[in-house]
Amino acid sequence: EPEVTQTPSHQVTQMGQEVILRCVPISNHLYFYWYRQILGQKVEFLVSFYNNEISEKSEIFDDQFSVERPDGSNFTLKIRSTKLEDSAMYFCASSEARTAYNQPQHFGDGTRLSIL
Amino acid sequence: QKEVEQNSGPLSVPEGAIASLNCTYSDRGSQSFFWYRQYSGKSPELIMFIYSNGDKEDGRFTAQLNKASQYVSLLIRDSQPSDSATYLCAVQYSGAGSYQLTFGKGTKLSVIP
Repeated sequence: EPEVTQTPSHQVTQMGQEVILRCVPISNHLYFYWYRQILGQKVEFLVSFYNNEISEKSEIFDDQFSVERPDGSNFTLKIRSTKLEDSAMYFCASSEARTAYNQPQHFGDGTRLSIL
Repeated sequence: QKEVEQNSGPLSVPEGAIASLNCTYSDRGSQSFFWYRQYSGKSPELIMFIYSNGDKEDGRFTAQLNKASQYVSLLIRDSQPSDSATYLCAVQYSGAGSYQLTFGKGTKLSVIP
């Protein structure tokens, strides 16, 4: 069964450094998402991406964050000048179809980001 | 502010019993409802979704939706120890251009052998 793949599985970074989290969505999916989950808390939406542009973003997704689809398969989340509070699991998800309503979002295994 | 509420549990049921997980949501414009299972330290795994009032069955799982009461539930029949996990309710609002999922905190289910 096709799946969303994320790399790396674990990233350890010094505070203030930049990190790039990578995702390969399911190949025929058109909508891509990033979510995060701080330890012990709920999964939170960050951003959605369609047709090579951001379609929606949350209050969390400020100027520190950016997303990019550099080629036909990868979808990346860049976090600049990382802070301790950025430590979390980051999940990439994708969904099929021209309209994302009523379409399940399939999640990757996540990247655990640890900021020291 | 769109809120999704779940009882955090833990909900303990004996093996073979029916587990009932509940979720309420605040936004009447919500259109689609998803149940995910999350094992500790793992990613959310889609179990099923529902967007019409009533019941939807898939194997041992039944999702129930009541939009008038803003309530969605998941029943797990013949519960197995492998069903022990946190169950996340996620809601998708139908506002223009809004596809994000709003998650509840999850209900931790423990199936006792």
